[in-house]
Amino acid sequence: RKEVEQDPGPFNVPEGATVAFNCTYSNSASQSFFWYRQDCRKEPKLLMSVYSSGNEDGRFTAQLNRASQYISLLIRDSKLSDSATYLCVVKGNYGGATNKLIFGTGTLLAVQP
Amino acid sequence: AAGVIQSPRHLIKEKRETATLKCYPIPRHDTVYWYQQGPGQDPQFLISFYEKMQSDKGSIPDRFSAQQFSDYHSELNMSSLELGDSALYFCASSSRQGTDTQYFGPGTRLTVL
Repeated sequence: RKEVEQDPGPFNVPEGATVAFNCTYSNSASQSFFWYRQDCRKEPKLLMSVYSSGNEDGRFTAQLNRASQYISLLIRDSKLSDSATYLCVVKGNYGGATNKLIFGTGTLLAVQP
Repeated sequence: AAGVIQSPRHLIKEKRETATLKCYPIPRHDTVYWYQQGPGQDPQFLISFYEKMQSDKGSIPDRFSAQQFSDYHSELNMSSLELGDSALYFCASSSRQGTDTQYFGPGTRLTVL
């Protein structure tokens, strides 16, 4: 079982749609949580950090439930430029390494015109 | 703003050859991380350095070594290359004096023939 699991995807949605991604993590000692986006053959880029109180950045809203070890990302009013792979990322004490990022396998989003 | 610089961007090697990948972190970042992303896979943590000392170690093969120099740039040395080493190699940097968020470079695409 992977340490960070995500919706399998792909998600094909029309422009303007609202789409939600879910993620669960296995290590309760995890300390920090992020969503990164990755375009094909490019580097992962930080989309937003995720806080226990939930946080919003424009059309993007992230939620964290530590009790359930569950993270979500909501994208409202999808744009064509949102098409990418969304990576759920966790940082914490994994195998003795405290600062490494653990990536989920990613969920591919394709926004259709 | 200045980003992480990696060189070369593309590298083609034969089996059993050696390769050296270079990473120049964002100015004033003190920590460097190396990740390997195979085709269709999520990035896997290899190793990290803080203030020129190895800080965490992940799934880095014994054939690989890395170091961080006095100017904070880092090099990943790979010997006895195997076909399975073909991947995207990302370097990320962060500042422990700041948010410790990891920012990724554009990656080096290594192809082993």
